Amino acid sequence: DVKVTQSSRYLVKRTGEKVFLECVQDMDHENMFWYRQDPGLGLRLIYFSYDVKMKEKGDIPEGYSVSREKKERFSLILESASTNQTSMYLCASNPQGSYHNEQFFGPGTRLTVL
Amino acid sequence: AQTVTQSQPEMSVQEAETVTLSCTYDTSESDYYLFWYKQPPSRQMILVIRQEAYKQQNATENRFSVNFQKAAKSFSLKISDSQLGDAAMYFCASSGGGADGLTFGKGTHLIIQP
Repeated sequence: DVKVTQSSRYLVKRTGEKVFLECVQDMDHENMFWYRQDPGLGLRLIYFSYDVKMKEKGDIPEGYSVSREKKERFSLILESASTNQTSMYLCASNPQGSYHNEQFFGPGTRLTVL
Repeated sequence: AQTVTQSQPEMSVQEAETVTLSCTYDTSESDYYLFWYKQPPSRQMILVIRQEAYKQQNATENRFSVNFQKAAKSFSLKISDSQLGDAAMYFCASSGGGADGLTFGKGTHLIIQP
């Protein structure tokens, strides 16, 4: 069965902390994505990766970076967390060349920055 | 660039009745795909239905069907015989060429009245 997991369901951090959000998929997918979900705004793409060590900026990359050292793992990094980064973060993946196919989503990490 | 608009922040329907969720989109791509995703409370985002833009026939998945009007750039979701388990946030999304992520609408919160 298809599975995307995220390291934490809930996370509370302080302003200025470095935050790592981890995502792992067990489907051998090439493409992985990080979205941010806010009420009234839907989901917005932060970064995506189509291969190991490759990354592309999405629509709202400011304040974020990513790392993809292994095919199955895609990390989102908040270098210095700020209160406006309090949000739900969703990871997704799908196979290479399948932009038209569904993306498989993780359960999300609800991050609160105090 | 693609945009997706969902004009109904919230919809309510009686159990067993039919409800239609609206979605309009704009894209410069000639080859694109449209999706409806469901996000139940505190649960993972899952794909409900997918439509290939080059296909004239409307997609159907059991009680879920779409009304795809390509010229009008409209992609509505019809849920027949609504069930309590249909209560969720519903997101309309589009994808274009390449490995880019999906473009999502802001979502419609569907309430099922018993």
